[in-house]
Amino acid sequence: DAKTTQPTSMDCAEGRAANLPCNHSTISGNEYVYWYRQIHSQGPQYIIHGLKNNETNEMASLIITEDRKSSTLILPHATLRDTAVYYCIVNGGSARQLTFGSGTQLTVLP
Amino acid sequence: DAGVIQSPRHEVTEMGQEVTLRCKPISGHNSLFWYRQTMMRGLELLIYFNNNVPIDDSGMPEDRFSAKMPNASFSTLKIQPSEPRDSAVYFCASSRSSTGELFFGEGSRLTVL
Repeated sequence: DAKTTQPTSMDCAEGRAANLPCNHSTISGNEYVYWYRQIHSQGPQYIIHGLKNNETNEMASLIITEDRKSSTLILPHATLRDTAVYYCIVNGGSARQLTFGSGTQLTVLP
Repeated sequence: DAGVIQSPRHEVTEMGQEVTLRCKPISGHNSLFWYRQTMMRGLELLIYFNNNVPIDDSGMPEDRFSAKMPNASFSTLKIQPSEPRDSAVYFCASSRSSTGELFFGEGSRLTVL
């Protein structure tokens, strides 16, 4: 699987949009971009995934650049409950290949 | 749906003892995963089952670790004998086959003294 690079930590003001970047410059054509988050002391939670097109669901939006070498997860109106470690994972579509890196610690500030 | 159910939530044991962690996946999911999380190594995939069959156990650290899935609704991860370095949070996750949308349990926190 392609390697991903994420900032170690980010802060965001409550109510503002949180934009979490991820670089995956070695992504191949059949690999998806997945985002998970892990709130302290809980199991990881699936957020969203995409291949080429931008995606949106009730939790977040995923913007993938045209060359697919990077992506951004957007939480449109961050709340304190969104404080968590966010993982960007590139995966070839087979669930067994989900490899979690270090992720980004997002802290939403009141 | 009740989600992925793991037990026990917390286990404290002494070195050398046998530890058994249990997992009930979401009904209808045919893939099951065991992960281990530590501060030093993060989240590591230990083993993956598809349709109750172990597909990839390359992440199992050593022979002291074993996992079984006797049916579609139950899996166990056993450590025998346990060692202090096995202290970690062990997560079970399930999914429908061939998707990356995993549903994780709340984890079992293991402390080996």
